[in-house]
Amino acid sequence: GAVVSQHPSWVICKSGTSVKIECRSLDFQATTMFWYRQFPKQSLMLMATSNEGSKATYEQGVEKDKFLINHASLTLSTLTVTSAHPEDSSFYICSARRQGFGANVLTFGAGSRLTVL
Amino acid sequence: KQEVTQIPAALSVPEGENLVLNCSFTDSAIYNLQWFRQDPGKGLTSLLLIQSSQREQTSGRLNASLDKSSGRSTLYIAASQPGDSATYLCAASNSGYSTLTFGKGTMLLVSP
Repeated sequence: GAVVSQHPSWVICKSGTSVKIECRSLDFQATTMFWYRQFPKQSLMLMATSNEGSKATYEQGVEKDKFLINHASLTLSTLTVTSAHPEDSSFYICSARRQGFGANVLTFGAGSRLTVL
Repeated sequence: KQEVTQIPAALSVPEGENLVLNCSFTDSAIYNLQWFRQDPGKGLTSLLLIQSSQREQTSGRLNASLDKSSGRSTLYIAASQPGDSATYLCAASNSGYSTLTFGKGTMLLVSP
């Protein structure tokens, strides 16, 4: 079955540093990947839609210069949290849409927990 | 803008009980609705996907219904087990472009 791998699964960093999270589709090609974040006891909120080979589309209120998304290949999208601050501490989850399958056939990664000290 | 609400926020039941989780959405023009399971600190596992033209979907002990006119979906879990303990999320999609609007989830605890 379709598998999406996220790395790292958890990361602790100091305030002001940048953190990169990878989202890989292991056994399929993903033309579109989505990045969500989830604060404690809150819904998953879509941050951005990442299409292979083009610029990501960010949701309202999400700073594109702070959350850099790169989708350079059909199997890899990266989210870089630049100059991270404690308020960026959250659970980040990616999902990938399998190329050639139904529009809403999504596979989710296991998530990456970011803690900014 | 689509908004999704889940009630209750938390539910605790003894093993063996049948239970219903509720999900409501404000925009009835949905493309489909999905139910997910999330274990603590983990990603999401898709449980059931109901297309807008369908009224229900079943998988094992799970049954999800969809009533677009009332803006509601329910997830029915039969004969609950401790392994069912998790947070259950519903998500509505208003298009085929896969953007989902999630509810906050219902945290289920099934005690032995």
